[in-house]
Amino acid sequence: DAMVIQNPRYQVTQFGKPVTLSCSQTLNHNVMYWYQQKSSQAPKLLFHYYDKDFNNEADTPDNFQSRRPNTSFCFLDIRSPGLGDAAMYLCATSMGLAGVNEQYFGPGTRLTVT
Amino acid sequence: SQQGEEDPQALSIQEGENATMNCSYKTSINNLQWYRQNSGRGLVHLILIRSNEREKHSGRLRVTLDTSKKSSSLLITASRAADTASYFCATDLYGNNRLAFGKGNQVVVIP
Repeated sequence: DAMVIQNPRYQVTQFGKPVTLSCSQTLNHNVMYWYQQKSSQAPKLLFHYYDKDFNNEADTPDNFQSRRPNTSFCFLDIRSPGLGDAAMYLCATSMGLAGVNEQYFGPGTRLTVT
Repeated sequence: SQQGEEDPQALSIQEGENATMNCSYKTSINNLQWYRQNSGRGLVHLILIRSNEREKHSGRLRVTLDTSKKSSSLLITASRAADTASYFCATDLYGNNRLAFGKGNQVVVIP
């Protein structure tokens, strides 16, 4: 089945130690998104890629970076995680941006910062 | 960025009853979407309603949109225990798929 896969499902990192979260998709979608969802809060869009074009949300901290080496994979890099970065990180995809495009979400990676 | 706001935030009902939750937003939108999230999992798209639509149905789901009041409601009829989840509305201001999610309604359906 076509799907969005996130690895690992649970990640523990130390304060200030760089960490990378991974997302892959078999849907062949053009757009990949990263959301941050803190406990009992709404998902918040961090950035997205349309193909190779990167689009950062204005309020996304510089500590968060992303890479998309090919259509299937997208990575979220947190350069110096703080305690406040502990959250569920959700990857999503959609066919396109224009018009109406349903987003397909992965199961998420829960990040703990110690 | 704009966010939808759901009301109420927690709902507990008996299996078979209907569940209604509301969402309000602040500015004009292109479309509004509802998503479900089971505990500790990703979101699943439920239904999308465009700004020129007033009501949509999908199975046991009914969504309404009132652009004059900037509000939407999601009705789940004949609820089942498997409907236990958090439900989020998300607004798309420009039709470019950059979604702003509301805080979510937690629904518990008691068997």
